[in-house]
Amino acid sequence: SQTIHQWPATLVQPVGSPLSLECTVEGTSNPNLYWYRQAAGRGLQLLFYSIGIDQISSEVPQNLSASRPQDRQFILSSKKLLLSDSGFYLCAWSAFNLGSSGANVLTFGAGSRLTVL
Amino acid sequence: DQQVKQNSPSLSVQEGRISILNCDYTNSMFDYFLWYKKYPAEGPTFLISISSIKDKNEDGRFTVFLNKSAKHLSLHIVPSQPGDSAVYFCAARGYGNKLVFGAGTILRVKS
Repeated sequence: SQTIHQWPATLVQPVGSPLSLECTVEGTSNPNLYWYRQAAGRGLQLLFYSIGIDQISSEVPQNLSASRPQDRQFILSSKKLLLSDSGFYLCAWSAFNLGSSGANVLTFGAGSRLTVL
Repeated sequence: DQQVKQNSPSLSVQEGRISILNCDYTNSMFDYFLWYKKYPAEGPTFLISISSIKDKNEDGRFTVFLNKSAKHLSLHIVPSQPGDSAVYFCAARGYGNKLVFGAGTILRVKS
């Protein structure tokens, strides 16, 4: 069966410090990978998605970047954190090439709570 | 521009009664709609989905209804249980298989 791991679970960082959140998926090949953010009192905002190694699309211009160095590894980074980067970050995966059959069911990791002070 | 809207931030229901969570959308090109449930400090989990060519899908206590002409869908939970207390997100699949999420509705089921 497929599993998704995301770490760290909780992170408190000062403004201006770097960030690295990591996500790995097991039990599947060539998944679509996603980074979402849930800011306080808001819904889930898609930040990045990837359909393959080094193939990453950014949805929202921001202070963050993403990389996919391996098929089942997705990393969210920042060189200098801002206060507004605080939030709950979620990694997710879905099967590749669903086409028109079936809903694009995302499976989410447990999330990473980032607090920037 | 919010393409998926959940206009009720919260809902409180008595145990055993029906919970109805609503969702509106603006993009007529969405072809699938999904509901996710989220507990605090956890990732959302998939609950139920419906294709845009259907008007109803049922799975146990959960039923999703889709009204395409009104661009509206709803999730019915009956009977509601205290363990159903969570945040419920409506999502729609659009271009590139990407999901667009609503802001969520907090459901509290009182025992």
